[in-house]
Amino acid sequence: QVQLKESGPGLVQPSETLSLTCTVSGFSLTSYSVSWVRQPSGKGPEWMGRMWYDGDTAYNSALKSRLSISRDTSKNQVFLKMNSLQTDDTGTYYCTRDPDMGGVMDAWGQGASVTVSS
Amino acid sequence: DIQMTQSPASLSASLGETISIECRASEDIYSNLAWYQQKSGKSPQLLIYAANRLQDGVPSRFSGSGSGTQYSLKISGMQPEDEGDYFCLQGSKFPYTFGAGTKLELK
Repeated sequence: QVQLKESGPGLVQPSETLSLTCTVSGFSLTSYSVSWVRQPSGKGPEWMGRMWYDGDTAYNSALKSRLSISRDTSKNQVFLKMNSLQTDDTGTYYCTRDPDMGGVMDAWGQGASVTVSS
Repeated sequence: DIQMTQSPASLSASLGETISIECRASEDIYSNLAWYQQKSGKSPQLLIYAANRLQDGVPSRFSGSGSGTQYSLKISGMQPEDEGDYFCLQGSKFPYTFGAGTKLELK
């Protein structure tokens, strides 16, 4: 079945770089896009960006200068890197399967909790 | 960016009651609208896509409607398992944008 799982450090120092990995199974990264979504505690989600099935990327303009999304199809993994982290970057980070159907994210990972603190 | 205004922010419903949640987009999103449910401590789950298409496995008491800039989610007969947060998401233009959410509780 379709599964996504985020992994990465739970604690990041202010001004440092967040690196997260999304490992997928049950579908191919060359057939489906993967979007990253984050959610501060108690708040609404924010779409961060997408790795298209063809290897292209799209980013939220609010994060574009700090954000990079890449992939390794041989390992079924999508990577998120975001630099210059601040305390308001604290939250839960999700990777999602995104079939490019106008806002459809039909499978979500369990989420990775990230705290930015010294 | 397209702004999604969701209302109400919170809602308390009795067992069996029918409720509606609204989302208004700042411009026409051509039915590229999805609804998600998020239960406490869990990841969001897709309920409705393309404004009115029910995702596989979602109970038929959930329905969506709307077009242009105005959309709504209806639950026909509140059940205890429907408690949670609900979000709309526009997928018409990047960046995709979510509504601020509606917290639904059982009265």
